[in-house]
Amino acid sequence: QKEVEQNSGPLSVPEGAIASLNCTYSDRGSQSFFWYRQYSGKSPELIMFIYSNGDKEDGRFTAQLNKASQYVSLLIRDSQPSDSATYLCAVNIVGDSGGSNYKLTFGKGTLLTVNP
Amino acid sequence: ETGVTQTPRHLVMGMTNKKSLKCEQHLGHNAMYWYKQSAKKPLELMFVYSLEERVENNSVPSRFSPECPNSSHLFLHLHTLQPEDSALYLCASSQDYLVSYEQYFGPGTRLTVT
Repeated sequence: QKEVEQNSGPLSVPEGAIASLNCTYSDRGSQSFFWYRQYSGKSPELIMFIYSNGDKEDGRFTAQLNKASQYVSLLIRDSQPSDSATYLCAVNIVGDSGGSNYKLTFGKGTLLTVNP
Repeated sequence: ETGVTQTPRHLVMGMTNKKSLKCEQHLGHNAMYWYKQSAKKPLELMFVYSLEERVENNSVPSRFSPECPNSSHLFLHLHTLQPEDSALYLCASSQDYLVSYEQYFGPGTRLTVT
């Protein structure tokens, strides 16, 4: 079973701190990685995607990818109470039929709470 | 309308009812998806359509029946559901299916089966 694992949390950080969210995946063939934010009662919203090893920065968000360790993380700098949400890691995993048949597989999500 | 829209936003139905969920994407994408999100579980992929053809069916019970009349519209027909089918049903779209493009989600339909 090809899986995506996240610590369910809750992760609690004070306002202004750095929040670090982690994700591991089992399929070495995965090539694209996504972070979604989901507020309670709402649908997932794409916030970052990363395809290459290393860091990718977008405003207060930084995605980090290490394919050798099968590990992807999301850092949120200067955390705000409005960042309080569940963060979903999603990995495009090659389907059972192989080839270019990908299936976006989600982790269970990490609940982040930013305290004022 | 922009992005991905879904109707209705909330639905309560009895186990003997028949209802349909509708999804429309205004992004010019070629692939559309149905997901189920239950409490404490990861998002579960139900169906994938690429250029109006079903390309994936993840062992979903036959009481869920998808329909994709064109690349902008996707339906999920429901009949004789069970209480455990109560969940948030999400529609998503992406540029294409055979390459790993990001998916964009609609607001979802909160379904309650009584």
